[in-house]
Amino acid sequence: GENVEQHPSTLSVQEGDSAVIKCTYSDSASNYFPWYKQELGKGPQLIIDIRSNVGEKKDQRIAVTLNKTAKHFSLHITETQPEDSAVYFCAASIGGGGADGLTFGKGTHLIIQP
Amino acid sequence: GAGVSQSPSNKVTEKGKDVELRCDPISGHTALYWYRQRLGQGLEFLIYFQGNSAPDKSGLPSDRFSAERTGESVSTLTIQRTQQEDSAVYLCASSFRAGGTGGELFFGEGSRLTVL
Repeated sequence: GENVEQHPSTLSVQEGDSAVIKCTYSDSASNYFPWYKQELGKGPQLIIDIRSNVGEKKDQRIAVTLNKTAKHFSLHITETQPEDSAVYFCAASIGGGGADGLTFGKGTHLIIQP
Repeated sequence: GAGVSQSPSNKVTEKGKDVELRCDPISGHTALYWYRQRLGQGLEFLIYFQGNSAPDKSGLPSDRFSAERTGESVSTLTIQRTQQEDSAVYLCASSFRAGGTGGELFFGEGSRLTVL
């Protein structure tokens, strides 16, 4: 099955700086890559996703890039703010549901220093 | 409208007891997932329901774990003879279509289980 590696496990940045979280996946058939944000005591929430037919997608301060050849994708957050502090999970999917529907990375704890 | 609702939010139990966790998905969502999240860890897939199809139980860690869902409504996750290693947050998510096809998963806030 799919295997998703996520780095770093913890990332601390100064408020206003950029943050980058990277993920790699193993199955070249994966075609859908969402990112979820989990705030303390809450369930994860989808913040952005990308499909394999595009290389980059932006939504305000958040962007995701995908390199299919290298099988890695990244989340970029610019002008970080205190409310960006959370755990971020990447995921990859070969389609469908169930165990192969979405494979999550182990998460990155992003800390925004004031 | 209402999001995914899970109960109880917190459960403390003694080793060896059975526990039942409940998930109310968003109305109309055919797909429902259960995940386990140990402290500081990622999301561990447990089980997936899609409509009236047979569930994908491949993530259940042992036969002490079981889950049911009636049609497209409430789901319950049951853990029998709980062990300390079962302590975790159990997250339920629902979606209009399978998560892997691009369906956004809507998560509940989880049920935190502590086994003493």
